[in-house]
Amino acid sequence: AQKVTQAQTEISVVEKEDVTLDCVYETRDTTYYLFWYKQPPSGELVFLIRRNSFDEQNEISGRYSWNFQKSTSSFNFTITASQVVDSAVYFCALSDPNQAGTALIFGKGTTLSVSS
Amino acid sequence: DVKVTQSSRYLVKRTGEKVFLECVQDMDHENMFWYRQDPGLGLRLIYFSYDVKMKEKGDIPEGYSVSREKKERFSLILESASTNQTSMYLCASTSTGIYGYTFGSGTRLTVV
Repeated sequence: AQKVTQAQTEISVVEKEDVTLDCVYETRDTTYYLFWYKQPPSGELVFLIRRNSFDEQNEISGRYSWNFQKSTSSFNFTITASQVVDSAVYFCALSDPNQAGTALIFGKGTTLSVSS
Repeated sequence: DVKVTQSSRYLVKRTGEKVFLECVQDMDHENMFWYRQDPGLGLRLIYFSYDVKMKEKGDIPEGYSVSREKKERFSLILESASTNQTSMYLCASTSTGIYGYTFGSGTRLTVV
């Protein structure tokens, strides 16, 4: 069965600290997609990144970076020099493109609190 | 700007009422989804639809039904609301091919 585990329930950091959010996934498929979403206090999920299983290149977007390692089934998310506006719940998700109308399978989320 | 719109942001209903949660997308997406979000449990899939009049059960369909009569609209129905259905409900859509899933802003339902 497919599963996404975000072991960190809550993380608290002080502004300008770097923080890494962990995501471990399970799937028997060779083709799949991984996602990260941010949910600020307003409630709407904001798409951050999509990565397919054949692309293990790490990605950097401003202060955000993602480390995808198939060998450990992990897709970790790092925020460099965190800011108060980064405070949110972050979800990692997995999708199987081989099924019609496939849905995302979410981890339980990590709540990040950044204090000034 | 592409959008998924959920008709209500907050809703309070009584136990036993029939409740309709509406979701409309303007992106011509084939696939639509209803999730429920609860603290400590993350997002759990209730139902999804990959075409008009088609529906598939997700992980927690009990107590819910859905309707998709038009491509742009996907409704979640609570046949007889119960207090354990108090939750945040999120609708999402995506085109075939697994690109970005777009989410609505959610409906926070309280059943009293």
